[in-house]
Amino acid sequence: AQSVAQPEDQVNVAEGNPLTVKCTYSVSGNPYLFWYVQYPNRGLQFLLKYITGDNLVKGSYGFEAEFNKSQTSFHLKKPSALVSDSALYFCAVRDALYNTDKLIFGTGTRLQVFP
Amino acid sequence: SAVISQKPSRDICQRGTSLTIQCQVDSQVTMMFWYRQQPGQSLTLIATANQGSEATYESGFVIDKFPISRPNLTFSTLTVSNMSPEDSSIYLCSVEDWGGDVGTEAFFGQGTRLTVV
Repeated sequence: AQSVAQPEDQVNVAEGNPLTVKCTYSVSGNPYLFWYVQYPNRGLQFLLKYITGDNLVKGSYGFEAEFNKSQTSFHLKKPSALVSDSALYFCAVRDALYNTDKLIFGTGTRLQVFP
Repeated sequence: SAVISQKPSRDICQRGTSLTIQCQVDSQVTMMFWYRQQPGQSLTLIATANQGSEATYESGFVIDKFPISRPNLTFSTLTVSNMSPEDSSIYLCSVEDWGGDVGTEAFFGQGTRLTVV
């Protein structure tokens, strides 16, 4: 069965420092992986995705994520955090083996960037 | 990317009543979905809204409680029926235009924050 784990409920980082939000997944086939961000009282915004190709994927707002097949991970990163990055981040996966349209979401990680 | 308008953005409703949430997309899309996000929790898929046919519901969700319409490729509604305080959640409309490409990302409306009192 498909699943996504975000082991940290909250990540705290000082502005200007690098940030990492962790995500691991479990699928039967090849994974299609996504990161979304949710600001307060807003819907989810798409940040980036990994389908195939380079393991390092660049996305919106300076975020990037690294696909690691051996560790079944897709951690979200940013070299220098901004206070405005404070939000709720969701990792999601789709299993290519099942060719399904359903996205499976992780439980979310709240990122808090302190000035 | 698709622009999604979801209405209402929030509502406070009496238990036992029903609320219909509308989702309008600025372009024709293949797939439309409805999610529930309970306070402090992740997104749970309620159903897939199929154009021209009945919605496909996930385990734990039934048509009598969450009737869905999808009259065309740009519009869908979700009704939360006979509401109880446990239905207090954010309800999100999502669209994909994947055409068979499962690498396509989903886009979301801004959500409807429902409080049942």
